[in-house]
Amino acid sequence: GAGVSQSPRYKVAKRGQDVALRCDPISGHVSLFWYQQALGQGPEFLTYFQNEAQLDKSGLPSDRFFAERPEGSVSTLKIQRTQQEDSAVYLCASSPQPSGAYNEQFFGPGTRLTVL
Amino acid sequence: AQKITQTQPGMFVQEKEAVTLDCTYDTSDPSYGLFWYKQPSSGEMIFLIYQGSYDQQNATEGRYSLNFQKARKSANLVISASQLGDSAMYFCAMRDPSGNTPLVFGKGTRLSVIA
Repeated sequence: GAGVSQSPRYKVAKRGQDVALRCDPISGHVSLFWYQQALGQGPEFLTYFQNEAQLDKSGLPSDRFFAERPEGSVSTLKIQRTQQEDSAVYLCASSPQPSGAYNEQFFGPGTRLTVL
Repeated sequence: AQKITQTQPGMFVQEKEAVTLDCTYDTSDPSYGLFWYKQPSSGEMIFLIYQGSYDQQNATEGRYSLNFQKARKSANLVISASQLGDSAMYFCAMRDPSGNTPLVFGKGTRLSVIA
């Protein structure tokens, strides 16, 4: 079956531009997470949705970062006025259950953002 | 706060040999879950194996096994009979079971399998 998809796979932006990154989770998955992975590092949490509700946005690094999931399926991560330090791979993950330690997260291929 | 430490930036292993990737963790929660993910050059995180903090036995999934030593707070991944396709980044991660918490990842270990 179809996994988590993300688009675009690669994005090059000039400093100061706004970008929008899309995540299509696995159909029916309740939970959706966004992570940021800098070069040579592990992924770091940005924000979490349960259905359309954004329950945790504690990992968003600044108010330039905004995420939404208006209908509880597709999610968009928007970065305004991009800076060079925003260059990273942005990973989206979805899971079918809203809680529990064994709650496997299925990851998408990521969007590699490069800010020049 | 939870923390994962992976002290091996890179590892080499001969094809068909076994290799152990180290992971130590820190948490004050009595209940938690431990995960290992593989990230090939394509970028996608692939789930390998899970260990719950109250599980009595070490988890195994095919060629992957998790050497869970709770008192030492370690959760090392053992890959048996390494294959060339095992070459990738490997990340140890944890989360607590209380609700909708994200995964906390280590910095990863790059495994290179040599023919």
